[in-house]
Amino acid sequence: TQLLEQSPQFLSIQEGENLTVYCNSSSVFSSLQWYRQEPGEGPVLLVTVVTGGEVKKLKRLTFQFGDARKDSSLHITAAQPGDTGLYLCAGLYRTGGFKTIFGAGTRLFVKA
Amino acid sequence: DAGVTQSPTHLIKTRGQHVTLRCSPISGHKSVSWYQQVLGQGPQFIFQYYEKEERGRGNFPDRFSARQFPNYSSELNVNALLLGDSALYLCASSSMTGGNYNEQFFGPGTRLTVL
Repeated sequence: TQLLEQSPQFLSIQEGENLTVYCNSSSVFSSLQWYRQEPGEGPVLLVTVVTGGEVKKLKRLTFQFGDARKDSSLHITAAQPGDTGLYLCAGLYRTGGFKTIFGAGTRLFVKA
Repeated sequence: DAGVTQSPTHLIKTRGQHVTLRCSPISGHKSVSWYQQVLGQGPQFIFQYYEKEERGRGNFPDRFSARQFPNYSSELNVNALLLGDSALYLCASSSMTGGNYNEQFFGPGTRLTVL
């Protein structure tokens, strides 16, 4: 059974602080995605990482895929209240089609 | 452009009943996936359909079934509802083109409450 462990589960920080969210698995994934979800809405895709060691930047967000394609991290620089939300990582692997495994999520609260 | 649409938005059922949830993918997308998200957890994969065929299945009982129609819309059916089936049911569509990854676009979900 493939599992994605996400940490921390909850994070409350002050505006301007930096933070890192981790996503770890014992399984190798074809790719890994990060989503953000607001209450009452579906997840919104932030980034997809495909190659081991890949680093992608999206404004103040930096995403990294581990060399072995088993883990990933999301780093936010100078967090703002607008960054508040649920951040989900999702690993994809082929089974003929695709199967997606989500982590339990990290709930981030940024205080002004 | 319309995104992924799901209906209904909310639904209340009682134990033992069945339910049908509907999803329309983004125009041009041929793949639909279904997820169950229980409060406080990440989405759990139920099914993936592509070109009207099941291409992936998660660890859900046979009470859960789905199908995809020629216009690529999809239905998720759940029979003999249990209290534990109360959740947000998410549909995601993707084009399934271009390489080794599957960019999924999620709908707003259907909130199912089983009493």
